[in-house]
Amino acid sequence: EPEVTQTPSHQVTQMGQEVILRCVPISNHLYFYWYRQILGQKVEFLVSFYNNEISEKSEIFDDQFSVERPDGSNFTLKIRSTKLEDSAMYFCASRETSGPPDTQYFGPGTRLTVL
Amino acid sequence: GQNIDQPTEMTATEGAIVQINCTYQTSGFNGLFWYQQHAGEAPTFLSYNVLDGLEEKGRFSSFLSRSKGYSYLLLKELQMKDSASYLCASMDSNYQLIWGAGTKLIIKP
Repeated sequence: EPEVTQTPSHQVTQMGQEVILRCVPISNHLYFYWYRQILGQKVEFLVSFYNNEISEKSEIFDDQFSVERPDGSNFTLKIRSTKLEDSAMYFCASRETSGPPDTQYFGPGTRLTVL
Repeated sequence: GQNIDQPTEMTATEGAIVQINCTYQTSGFNGLFWYQQHAGEAPTFLSYNVLDGLEEKGRFSSFLSRSKGYSYLLLKELQMKDSASYLCASMDSNYQLIWGAGTKLIIKP
């Protein structure tokens, strides 16, 4: 069964450093998402991406965040200058079509720890 | 504003039935999703409702009342592996998922 994959599974970085989180969505999917979940808290939407551009973004997704689809398979989230409060699980998700009932399929997540 | 409310934690006994409630208020509505999330893992899709009524899928059923902004997830014949958080999420008019904080379900033998 096709699945969303994410690398790395764990990332430890120093405050102020740049990190790039990588995702490979399911191959025939057209819509891509990044979410984060701070430990013990709710899942929070960061950004959605379609047709090589951002379609929606949340207040969390400020200028230090960027997304890119550098080739036909990868979808990346870059955090330019990490802060302690960026420590969280970051989930990538993808779905095939624009409307329901199509569901989003989640990758296993990257646990980011900022020291 | 947009808001999803669900109980923080519930406890049930192996073999029993449990109902997890969710109320939602979102800008527009394109369906109500339930996801299961084991600790440290990604959410996995359980069910989707867009019309009023009950959707049954094996041991899990989900109900929706759009007029009341209410849904529930019903889990039957509980197994120890069902111990997890259950996330209610409403899809708004922009097809974005608005998430509840999750209900941690503890199953006791």
